[in-house]
Amino acid sequence: AQTVTQSQPEMSVQEAETVTLSCTYDTSENNYYLFWYKQPPSRQMILVIRQEAYKQQNATENRFSVNFQKAAKSFSLKISDSQLGDTAMYFCAFMISNAGNNRKLIWGLGTSLAVNP
Amino acid sequence: GAVVSQHPSRVICKSGTSVKIECRSLDFQATTMFWYRQFPKQSLMLMATSNEGSKATYEQGVEKDKFLINHASLTLSTLTVTSAHPEDSSFYICSATGTPYEQYFGPGTRLTVT
Repeated sequence: AQTVTQSQPEMSVQEAETVTLSCTYDTSENNYYLFWYKQPPSRQMILVIRQEAYKQQNATENRFSVNFQKAAKSFSLKISDSQLGDTAMYFCAFMISNAGNNRKLIWGLGTSLAVNP
Repeated sequence: GAVVSQHPSRVICKSGTSVKIECRSLDFQATTMFWYRQFPKQSLMLMATSNEGSKATYEQGVEKDKFLINHASLTLSTLTVTSAHPEDSSFYICSATGTPYEQYFGPGTRLTVT
């Protein structure tokens, strides 16, 4: 069975600093996708970044980057130059890429990030 | 692009009544839609997967007769909570797949059963 583990229930960071959120997963599949989603207080789920497992290069989206270690099944998110608007719940999620219509996401429990002024 | 709407955004209903929540993909066709439930400060719990024109696939432990899902078109799926009880109060989120690997999420519906 596929599982996603986020070991940090809560984190805080000072504005403009860098923070790393951890995520590990377990699967026997070789082809899959990994995601980080952000859920701010509005509760709208927003995609932060996506990584295809077959790509060795770490994905980057502006201030957000990942450290994808496939052998270690690790997928951490680094937020650089943290901003107050980054305050949110962050969820790591996993999807098997060849599941046909059953492309459901497997979710971690989330990390609550507070960016302090 | 890739906007998903939900209606209503919040609803209050009396115990024993039914309530319908709509999920629409506004600018793309969604062959698959997902319905989630989320309790405060918790992760998303998948309730069911809905494919257009076929019966929904429910996750283990989700009562299909209580949570009726209809996916009648490529842009609309509905979740009906039948004979609602206070324990059904929750935040319900839908998502729709456009590309094979990406889900686009609606803004959620807060259901309160009194």
